[in-house]
Amino acid sequence: DQQVKQNSPSLSVQEGRISILNCDYTNSMFDYFLWYKKYPAEGPTFLISISSIKDKNEDGRFTVFLNKSAKHLSLHIVPSQPGDSAVYFCAASRIQGAQKLVFGQGTRLTINP
Amino acid sequence: EPEVTQTPSHQVTQMGQEVILRCVPISNHLYFYWYRQILGQKVEFLVSFYNNEISEKSEIFDDQFSVERPDGSNFTLKIRSTKLEDSAMYFCASTLHPGGNTGELFFGEGSRLTVL
Repeated sequence: DQQVKQNSPSLSVQEGRISILNCDYTNSMFDYFLWYKKYPAEGPTFLISISSIKDKNEDGRFTVFLNKSAKHLSLHIVPSQPGDSAVYFCAASRIQGAQKLVFGQGTRLTINP
Repeated sequence: EPEVTQTPSHQVTQMGQEVILRCVPISNHLYFYWYRQILGQKVEFLVSFYNNEISEKSEIFDDQFSVERPDGSNFTLKIRSTKLEDSAMYFCASTLHPGGNTGELFFGEGSRLTVL
């Protein structure tokens, strides 16, 4: 079941530059898309989300873009900071029902000083 | 800041033994979830729980699994007879209202289960 896919297992970015993490999905019934950040030995922490009625949502250094026709979303982090080094999970859900999240495989982001 | 807490942080058990993982969701939340992550794999939905009953469950959540909210604060996941493939990190999550402003679930730090 590959409804949500993150094709890049890892990404390395220089501090201060832009980090772009990508995510593709196959289920057109998804209404909400979320990005979670996960440090080792901790649970996923919510970062930012976007509803399917929008194409962009911004929160400080984090911006999520949604391209519904391409079934693609991306997370932009600018400027990238060393503390951003973590595994980033894309997740999707349907607004109806009990908010089951379907996660991607994750992308390990490393910010180099 | 309120948080979801889970115990134990790590449990080692023998195959065939029963295991109970415990969670204390955020106090005013109404919807509760268990997810798991096998090492190196994606985080997978197991079950959602609302109003003292299961709302939805995945194909992973077979008869060996059960959930309970025995009192007003705890939410437990029981695995009746553990198998090697149950070894994973189990995450509890809660939310006040799914589909709210951000659709956000709040996750605990996880309980690592190792089945030998």
